[in-house]
Amino acid sequence: QVQLVESGGGLVKPGGSLRLSCAASGFSFSDFYMTWIRQTPGKGLEWISHISYGTNKIYYADSVKGRFTISRDNAKSSLFLQMNSLRVEDTGVYYCARDRYGEYADSWGQGTFVTVSS
Amino acid sequence: EIVLTQSPVTLSLSPGETATLSCGASQSVSSGYLAWYQQKPGLAPRLLIYDSFRRPTGIPDRFSGSGSGTDFTLTISRLEPEDFAVYYCQQYSNSPYTFGQGTKLEIK
Repeated sequence: QVQLVESGGGLVKPGGSLRLSCAASGFSFSDFYMTWIRQTPGKGLEWISHISYGTNKIYYADSVKGRFTISRDNAKSSLFLQMNSLRVEDTGVYYCARDRYGEYADSWGQGTFVTVSS
Repeated sequence: EIVLTQSPVTLSLSPGETATLSCGASQSVSSGYLAWYQQKPGLAPRLLIYDSFRRPTGIPDRFSGSGSGTDFTLTISRLEPEDFAVYYCQQYSNSPYTFGQGTKLEIK
């Protein structure tokens, strides 16, 4: 059974940083792209970043490019999102998702809340 | 960027009826690279349909997807109480991948 568990969310001031983690189990992690999708009050669902199995293909939405960094540790079946220079509009729920080919999310974690506020 | 517009915003139906949800794209979604998700309150979205019409394992055949180009449809036959939720479409034809704003299916 596929399980994705996010952690690392919380309250941070504008300009601050957070590192999200996603622990995966129940499937061969290194065979899948992995994705971060967020749901914000302002923009709804937004595909913000994905990473290929071998990390050679990485995508960022323009809204986070230069501020967020996606990474993965296949040995530990873990996905990460380093978020720097956070803005109020980054507030929302961040989901880790499994993605076969960098196209659609076939399994989702429960989400972790990120609140950026002074 | 491909903008996806879902209609209606809210759909009120009774259990047993058939729901027809639409997703219109601002430009052609090539190869039918469109997915549909269901989201219930407090939960993450769940994949229902990919490649416009394919169902993942475990999704009931009451859910069906169709369409091509700029017009796509999710049809839910014989509505069950657990089907009342918010539905989103997503295109993965062009970067950036984009989602529609959602259709809320509510009990009449």
